[in-house]
Amino acid sequence: QQQVKQSPQSLIVQKGGISIINCAYENTAFDYFPWYQQFPGKGPALLIAIRPDVSEKKEGRFTISFNKSAKQFSLHIMDSQPGDSATYFCAASFSGGSNYKLTFGKGTLLTVNP
Amino acid sequence: GAVVSQHPSWVICKSGTSVKIECRSLDFQATTMFWYRQFPKQSLMLMATSNEGSKATYEQGVEKDKFLINHASLTLSTLTVTSAHPEDSSFYICSAGGGSSYGYTFGSGTRLTVV
Repeated sequence: QQQVKQSPQSLIVQKGGISIINCAYENTAFDYFPWYQQFPGKGPALLIAIRPDVSEKKEGRFTISFNKSAKQFSLHIMDSQPGDSATYFCAASFSGGSNYKLTFGKGTLLTVNP
Repeated sequence: GAVVSQHPSWVICKSGTSVKIECRSLDFQATTMFWYRQFPKQSLMLMATSNEGSKATYEQGVEKDKFLINHASLTLSTLTVTSAHPEDSSFYICSAGGGSSYGYTFGSGTRLTVV
């Protein structure tokens, strides 16, 4: 009940296109869903996060869509740029803040072609 | 914003020696720190969770005596890889709880190579 399943494993998008990465979770007690961006040789950086009381959150070109009934959430990157090429991880955790461990998806390697 | 400093960024050591990795929260107090291990093209694997002033909680399968974690203050946690062997070569990342509305600020990682 602790898994977070992420797809696709890799994604190639043309510059200006929309990148979509999907995640599904099993544990209905999760209530914090962040997305992280990781460049090679660096630690993950928080991109955007959502709680289940909203169905969508947008920050600049990045949008999280959340479907509580389906236990799914997705990351949309609008107007994708070559600089967005990185590995993206979805994750889930419990309320109570940062004292609880994150459960990560397996990651998606995004390549944005110029 | 919240900053977690991790040092060294890379280290090469001889088999059988010990290596210490430091993780510092620079502008906030981290009551909880997490240590991860990441293999190439794979996800982050949680090794242990540490709370300031108490013993770390290790994930199943992680050797406590090999990966020593100390969280002596609210701004510093250390991971010591004891008697390192080539199979311990990996990318180690720390994460500190606190410092932002959702916590979980990650360090920049340490590339450990054991020769």
